[in-house]
Amino acid sequence: DIQMTQSPSSLSASVGDRVTITCRASQSISNYLNWYQQKPGKAPKLLISAASSLQSGVPSSFSGSGSGTDFALTISNLQPEDFATYYCQQTYAPPVTFGPGTRVDI
Amino acid sequence: QVHLVESGGGVVQPGGSLRLSCAASGFTFSDYAMHWVRQAPGKGLEWVAFIRHGGSHQYYGDSVRGRFTISRDNLKNTLYLQMNSLRVEDTALYYCGKDAKTGQNSGWYVDYWGQGTLVTVSS
Repeated sequence: DIQMTQSPSSLSASVGDRVTITCRASQSISNYLNWYQQKPGKAPKLLISAASSLQSGVPSSFSGSGSGTDFALTISNLQPEDFATYYCQQTYAPPVTFGPGTRVDI
Repeated sequence: QVHLVESGGGVVQPGGSLRLSCAASGFTFSDYAMHWVRQAPGKGLEWVAFIRHGGSHQYYGDSVRGRFTISRDNLKNTLYLQMNSLRVEDTALYYCGKDAKTGQNSGWYVDYWGQGTLVTVSS
């Protein structure tokens, strides 16, 4: 199975900050990498697919990059509603696997 | 709009069984693969199972393979998860999710999620 790691596991930031979360796969997954945001008590929300394709309705302050084994999610100009936990997910080969998550809080 | 409503969760003893359902609306259910994803209390997301749009192929996570069965009824727009030989570690909120792409070109990722149904395995 493909293992996913994320760093950091948590971070503290302020409104207006630029934040970068990294995700690494245990083997090359091309660009089969997605990012989700989850707020407490809510279902996850798809932000980015195929490493860098922003979903409709997601603010342009979110961006994704990377290919192969190393990926990043960047949030520029952090807003109060962006404080949440972020998960990466590989869909290169089943079983689909998620990263352990990165919590972004104040 | 897309609406997914899970049901069937509850408290069950170790070794017991439970069947979850997910009622779908707002899209052509038979055109999309579907997923079950779970989240243990305070933990991260774990992909559980996937079924293709026609129901012909199913895939499972390592921790549930051989114990859980995903199925669907495209006439009733409903997804199911039959869970047998339940373990304490299966305790989680179970989400159903719609695949992001249509037909055979499944994306293997979820673009719409339900709100989840809680399964508690405890003696």
